Amino acid sequence: QQQVKQSPQSLIVQKGGISIINCAYENTAFDYFPWYQQFPGKGPALLIAIRPDVSEKKEGRFTISFNKSAKQFSLHIMDSQPGDSATYFCAAISNFGNEKLTFGTGTRLTIIP
Amino acid sequence: DAGVIQSPRHEVTEMGQEVTLRCKPISGHDYLFWYRQTMMRGLELLIYFNNNVPIDDSGMPEDRFSAKMPNASFSTLKIQPSEPRDSAVYFCASAGVGTGELFFGEGSRLTVL
Repeated sequence: QQQVKQSPQSLIVQKGGISIINCAYENTAFDYFPWYQQFPGKGPALLIAIRPDVSEKKEGRFTISFNKSAKQFSLHIMDSQPGDSATYFCAAISNFGNEKLTFGTGTRLTIIP
Repeated sequence: DAGVIQSPRHEVTEMGQEVTLRCKPISGHDYLFWYRQTMMRGLELLIYFNNNVPIDDSGMPEDRFSAKMPNASFSTLKIQPSEPRDSAVYFCASAGVGTGELFFGEGSRLTVL
């Protein structure tokens, strides 16, 4: 059972544009929502994360928007750059502290000049 | 700290052979995870340990797969006998308690012919 649904599967954005990746979850016990970034040949690495008690978190050009009632959250990359080209995974943890992540299926983002 | 260290980085073997993948987690981390990544299924959690004890192995595909963590600084994932459908990138990750952040190794790319 896939507990975190991610879309789109792939995304092409022009340099300087906004990249948006969406995730939806079913398990209301999830209480921590991180995003991971993976470059080719590397393991995923934490990019940004949010708790459900806030609706938005911003770090530089990266913003997570969170809608608890809709059970949805999204990653926005402002002023997208070629260096942002990577695969992005949303994830969720229930009972924060047990560290067990449920990952979405990933979005391959390509930024073109 | 050198991060999570995995070996080998690449392994090519023939069907029926035994494969052993190795992982050294970050010192002081209490959690260790084994993930498998394929294009079709994304990132799948195979098993995870807390303080060297297996907590959840429900993701291990079948009895051909086994994992051990004999001490806090070493873990192995073994496949015996290997099959072509086991071809994937296997990631090891570790985490400290209450951090919500997994640190991934660079992965072991397994090809079973």
